[in-house]
Amino acid sequence: EPEVTQTPSHQVTQMGQEVILRCVPISNHLYFYWYRQILGQKVEFLVSFYNNEISEKSEIFDDQFSVERPDGSNFTLKIRSTKLEDSAMYFCASIGAYEQYFGPGTRLTVT
Amino acid sequence: AQSVTQLDSQVPVFEEAPVELRCNYSSSVSVYLFWYVQYPNQGLQLLLKYLSGSTLVKGINGFEAEFNKSQTSFHLRKPSVHISDTAEYFCAVTPRAPGNQFYFGTGTSLTVIP
Repeated sequence: EPEVTQTPSHQVTQMGQEVILRCVPISNHLYFYWYRQILGQKVEFLVSFYNNEISEKSEIFDDQFSVERPDGSNFTLKIRSTKLEDSAMYFCASIGAYEQYFGPGTRLTVT
Repeated sequence: AQSVTQLDSQVPVFEEAPVELRCNYSSSVSVYLFWYVQYPNQGLQLLLKYLSGSTLVKGINGFEAEFNKSQTSFHLRKPSVHISDTAEYFCAVTPRAPGNQFYFGTGTSLTVIP
């Protein structure tokens, strides 16, 4: 069965550093997403990406964040100048037939 | 706008007892409905989904859910829970159009007591 993959599984970074979270969506999907889940809280939408551009973004997705699809397979989330409150689980997802397939997540810890 | 309410943040239940996890939603448009399960330190796994047709949908691990349009609910049920069902359960909705984001509830932590 096809699956969404994410790397790394766990990233530890110091406050103020830049991080790039990587995702490989399912190959024939067209819509890609990033979600965030702060420990103990609900899953929150960050951004959706379609046809090589952002189609929707939430209030959380400010200038600190950016997304990119640098080639035909990878989908990245960049967080510039990380803050303590960016510590969370970040999930990538891609959509097929109205069901979003989620990756296993990257746990980001900002110290 | 869409929103999802899961009123029960924690549900303890004894092994082999039945369980119902409640989900209500609010939406100005027609939606698709989903339940996801998250085991500790893992990602989101789809339990079941309602797209159309029969309002009673069956999913993996013996779970089922019933869509009630008049009550805008999509409660999840299992007749007999197992220890391995201990996890966080999230209800989610998305508008009936491709490419829309999913809106998640705050989750229900199910703890099965031996």
